[in-house]
Amino acid sequence: AQSVAQPEDQVNVAEGNPLTVKCTYSVSGNPYLFWYVQYPNRGLQFLLKYITGDNLVKGSYGFEAEFNKSQTSFHLKKPSALVSDSALYFCAVRDKGGGFKTIFGAGTRLFVKA
Amino acid sequence: GAVVSQHPSWVICKSGTSVKIECRSLDFQATTMFWYRQFPKQSLMLMATSNEGSKATYEQGVEKDKFLINHASLTLSTLTVTSAHPEDSSFYICSAREGLIAADTQYFGPGTRLTVL
Repeated sequence: AQSVAQPEDQVNVAEGNPLTVKCTYSVSGNPYLFWYVQYPNRGLQFLLKYITGDNLVKGSYGFEAEFNKSQTSFHLKKPSALVSDSALYFCAVRDKGGGFKTIFGAGTRLFVKA
Repeated sequence: GAVVSQHPSWVICKSGTSVKIECRSLDFQATTMFWYRQFPKQSLMLMATSNEGSKATYEQGVEKDKFLINHASLTLSTLTVTSAHPEDSSFYICSAREGLIAADTQYFGPGTRLTVL
């Protein structure tokens, strides 16, 4: 069965500092991995995805994520956080051999303090 | 990027009435559309998956007769909450995919906040 874990309910970081939002996953086969961001009372916005190839994926708004197969992780990172990055972040996984069913993590709320 | 719209963005209705929510893919044809429900401070719960011209596939525990889904065209899907009750109050989000391969990205609408009095 597929599952996604976001171990931190909340991450606090000062503006200008690097940020990391953690995600680990479990699938029976090979994964497709996604990060989405949600602002208050809004739908999810796609940030980036890993399909295959280079383990470091670059996405929108300066975000990037690193796929680590041995640790089954796909942590979201940004070198320098902005106050406007404060939002709810969701990691999602899809099993390559499992059709299109996508499992979302519980979400991590990021607070960036000025 | 691909844009998905939802209408209305919020709706308040009386208990026992029905509410229709529209989901449109604006700049692409959606092979599949998805309806999610999100409770406060929780993740997304998939309610159903729909393909144009065919019946929706509902997730376990979701009442088909209560949450009617119609996927009329490749750019429009509707969710009707029938005989709404206060416990149906939630944030409903639709999503669409453009292609037919497993690596496709899902694009999400802005969501609809439903409040049933």
